[in-house]
Amino acid sequence: QVQLKESGPGLVQPTQTLSLTCTVSGFSLLVYSVHWVRQPPGKGLEWMARMKYDGDTYYNSDLKSRLSISRDTSKSQVFLKMNSLQTEDTAIYFCTRDVPFDYWGQGVMVTVSS
Amino acid sequence: DVLMTQTPVSLPVSLGGQVSISCRSSQSLVHSDGNTYLHWYLQKPGQSPQLLIYRVSNKFSGVPDRFSGSGSGTDFTLKISRVEPEDLGVYYCLQTTHFPPYTFGAGTKLELK
Repeated sequence: QVQLKESGPGLVQPTQTLSLTCTVSGFSLLVYSVHWVRQPPGKGLEWMARMKYDGDTYYNSDLKSRLSISRDTSKSQVFLKMNSLQTEDTAIYFCTRDVPFDYWGQGVMVTVSS
Repeated sequence: DVLMTQTPVSLPVSLGGQVSISCRSSQSLVHSDGNTYLHWYLQKPGQSPQLLIYRVSNKFSGVPDRFSGSGSGTDFTLKISRVEPEDLGVYYCLQTTHFPPYTFGAGTKLELK
């Protein structure tokens, strides 16, 4: 069945770089796009970036300068890197499968704090 | 960016009752391909969002018939009839017509009276 699972550090220091991995199963990254969405504690959802099935990438313009998305299709993994972290980047980070975001990972909580 | 405005922010309901949630977009969500890419999600406490309705009115697999979506252009509605305990949580609308970015509504919290 379709599954997505995020992994990454729970705690990152301010100004450092966050590295997250989304490992998928039950579908191919060569057929489906994968997106990253985040949710600050108690707040709403924010779309961040897309890794298209053909390798093309798109970013939220508000975050574009700090984001990088990549993938390893042989390992069924999509990676998200975000630099210059600040406390307001504290959030649950989700990966989700292609529009209409039919399957989601459980999310990974990332706290930015010294 | 397309602004998605959801109302109400909070929606008290009695079990067995019926509710409607509104989602309005700052511009038409009709895509050049003729489709309207407006979707609805429920996020239960401590869980990931789950897809309920895609492209305005299509129910995702396993979604009960008491959920229905309607609307067009810039004005959309999610209706829930005969509310059950497992329906409680925060509902979000999402537009994927205009990209980037995709934009979510701020959410509507469905809670017991």
